Amino acid sequence: GQSLEQPSEVTAVEGAIVQINCTYQTSGFYGLSWYQQHDGGAPTFLSYNALDGLEETGRFSSFLSRSDSYGYLLLQELQMKDSASYFCAVKENTGFQKLVFGTGTRLLVSP
Amino acid sequence: DTAVSQTPKYLVTQMGNDKSIKCEQNLGHDTMYWYKQDSKKFLKIMFSYNNKELIINETVPNRFSPKSPDKAHLNLHINSLELGDSAVYFCASSPRTGGDTGELFFGEGSRLTVL
Repeated sequence: GQSLEQPSEVTAVEGAIVQINCTYQTSGFYGLSWYQQHDGGAPTFLSYNALDGLEETGRFSSFLSRSDSYGYLLLQELQMKDSASYFCAVKENTGFQKLVFGTGTRLLVSP
Repeated sequence: DTAVSQTPKYLVTQMGNDKSIKCEQNLGHDTMYWYKQDSKKFLKIMFSYNNKELIINETVPNRFSPKSPDKAHLNLHINSLELGDSAVYFCASSPRTGGDTGELFFGEGSRLTVL
């Protein structure tokens, strides 16, 4: 089976840096995605790592270590609008793009 | 133009009823999905279709029946609704299966409340 673990909640202040970790256990790992979801909204794609290392997209970066079955999302220069839930999702190597989502981390950014 | 659209956005119904949710994508994608998000925000895949063919069918009660009349549409019909079916149902699409990206495009969700 699969399992993905993330912290349930993280709090930070505006302008700070926060890291959201994700550890996973799955068969047929292909890659790790990150999604953002605001309350009442749809999940929106942030980043994807298929290879080890850091991917940077503006204020957000994502890291993957396949050997450690571990990844993280790094959010820099936090803004109030970054308050949302963040999900890691494992793409399984089934020949089809099946994404299995983690339980999500609620990020609360305060002034 | 909305890329992935679902209707209805909200649905309130009684136990035992049958209801349908419709989804359409105008992105030209080959693959579409249904995900269920429960009250704890856990997102679980239910079904996936690739070019009208069912490719993923997770352990879902057979009261749930997806239908894809063409690759731009994926509907979800639910029979004999139960309280535990209350959730937000998200439709999503992706360009193709096995592609080298982990990006899904989600609709805005359909919030189903069973009384």
